[in-house]
Amino acid sequence: DAGVIQSPRHEVTEMGQEVTLRCKPISGHNSLFWYRQTMMRGLELLIYFNNNVPIDDSGMPEDRFSAKMPNASFSTLKIQPSEPRDSAVYFCASSFYLATEQFFGPGTRLTVL
Amino acid sequence: KQEVTQIPAALSVPEGENLVLNCSFTDSAIYNLQWFRQDPGKGLTSLLLIQSSQREQTSGRLNASLDKSSGRSTLYIAASQPGDSATYLCSSTNAGKSTFGDGTTLTVKP
Repeated sequence: DAGVIQSPRHEVTEMGQEVTLRCKPISGHNSLFWYRQTMMRGLELLIYFNNNVPIDDSGMPEDRFSAKMPNASFSTLKIQPSEPRDSAVYFCASSFYLATEQFFGPGTRLTVL
Repeated sequence: KQEVTQIPAALSVPEGENLVLNCSFTDSAIYNLQWFRQDPGKGLTSLLLIQSSQREQTSGRLNASLDKSSGRSTLYIAASQPGDSATYLCSSTNAGKSTFGDGTTLTVKP
């Protein structure tokens, strides 16, 4: 099993640009999570899906952030427009069901100039 | 709102020593508690998951315990090795939402 796959691994963009992060969960997993990690705030849950349906997006910081899961094998996190304070490492994780063991992807390091 | 605290923030030990990492949480109504390892610049690797009905889990030199009533979990590492050097994070899950501590950065010196 390839594990959780994220792309791109690194993204450098300018303020105001649209950024799209992608995630492929482990096959057979029904739950998917998006996290953000910064030195100041640690690891924060942004949004999670169960069976492709968003369950809780209360962690999404602003309306500039949106996430979709069109099918069981793909999810995107979009930031539009991006700002320098969005610079962070964004992780995707998946699990068989909610409240079971989570497996993390390698992360996308986003730098907004 | 769940709060997860890990103490100490950093720990340095000589190789071969046994050690304990601590994790505390404010809301005891958890589904599970999970311990992860994170190497610099890398993602999180799952180490152990303890369901709310369990008291401990073991994997090799690692043993994790859970005391829901006191809101505490510990990760015991036996016979530490330099390869154990990493940041260790705990996460509690309540109603599907996971809350992470800030981690303990462990350095094992040869």
